[in-house]
Parts: sequence; C-alpha cells; structure tokens
Amino acid sequence: DAGVIQSPRHEVTEMGQEVTLRCKPISGHDYLFWYRQTMMRGLELLIYFNNNVPIDDSGMPEDRFSAKMPNASFSTLKIQPSEPRDSAVYFCASSSPQGLSGANVLTFGAGSRLTVL
Amino acid sequence: DQQVKQNSPSLSVQEGRISILNCDYTNSMFDYFLWYKKYPAEGPTFLISISSIKDKNEDGRFTVFLNKSAKHLSLHIVPSQPGDSAVYFCAASGRGSQGNLIFGKGTKLSVKP
Repeated sequence: DAGVIQSPRHEVTEMGQEVTLRCKPISGHDYLFWYRQTMMRGLELLIYFNNNVPIDDSGMPEDRFSAKMPNASFSTLKIQPSEPRDSAVYFCASSSPQGLSGANVLTFGAGSRLTVL
Repeated sequence: DQQVKQNSPSLSVQEGRISILNCDYTNSMFDYFLWYKKYPAEGPTFLISISSIKDKNEDGRFTVFLNKSAKHLSLHIVPSQPGDSAVYFCAASGRGSQGNLIFGKGTKLSVKP
C-alpha cells in the first residue's frame, strides 16, 4: 500500500479564496482523521470519521471549515473563505481498530502545507 | 487546557548517550499512550506504545516507561544516533483501538555526532 496520500503538498492562496485539501486513506482502514499542526497549538484534531460517518467535529474551528467523506477511499477538508490564521500544515491520518487489546495506531500522510496571504 | 504536555520544546544529546523525552498527562482515563517521530516535511510516524496496565515497553533501542501515579511517561533512546534527530510527539488515547489521539506539542531532539 502507498500509505495515506494527501494533495496538494503545498498551497499558497490569498485571503478569501476557497481551499480544498484531499486525502486518500489506506485501503481497509475505517477511521479517518484530519489534524492541523501550528507552532502555537501543536497537533490538534479537527474531525474524524468512522465508516465515512463524522463522529467528532468539535475541533473544527468555525463554520468556514467543512469536511466530507463521500466514500471509503476519499475525504476532503474545505476552508471557505480562507484567512491568514488558517496557515498551517494539515495532516490526514487513517487507522483500523486493533480490537480490545491494542492501541489505535494512526498512519499519517505527509501533510498539506497551507499559506494564506 | 492541554491534556497531554511535553514541557521541553527541545533536547540536545551526544551520539551514543541516552535520550530521555518526557510527557505528562492530566486525564486518568487514558488507556494507551503512544510516541510518534516526525522528520521535517513528513507526517508523524508511529514509534512505540504502552497500555495503561503496564509500566514498561521495550522495542530495540526504544523503551517507554509509564508512571500512572505521577501521570508521567518517558521515552528512552539508547544509544542515541544522529538519525534519531527529529520531533517526538507523545499521544494518548481514551478509548483503546477507537477514537482519536490527543497529542502533546512535541520535543525536538538533536543528536550530535
């Protein structure tokens, strides 16, 4: 498997523009997570899905952010309109439950670095 | 309020010596703890985990120790190598194999040759 695939790797946009980040999880993984990394807040969870259904979106900063998972192999994170404070690295991760005896090991993509001017 | 804290933003160690990375947590309901390693321009990669019912887990040069009464865990790397230079994240899970991980802010380890 190629791992978790994210695109684009880098995005530079102007304030007010719509940004769409994409993620392809590992085949067979039924959990998908979106995290954001900033210097101030570190790695923070935005939203996660189980079997394509959003389970917890309490980390989504505001209504400008939305995430979808139309099928098991694709998810998007949209920011509309974007603002300079949204500049960060956005990571997608996926996992498959290990049953009752294991930790939930997330496999991360390489991230999408967003710069909003 | 941060539930997982890594109070040292950086650590510098000589090659061959021991690196000790520390992590504190506040929620006694966490049942698994994980360490991830991150190189620049890459995503975090899983390193080692420990269940809350254990106090030590070892994998090669990496050992994680858990002190539940102190709500503290540490990652020991022995011997340290220059390739270990990276940012190390501590993470905690509240529901075992389901649910999200809560991460600390990371500690940047530099191993000097």
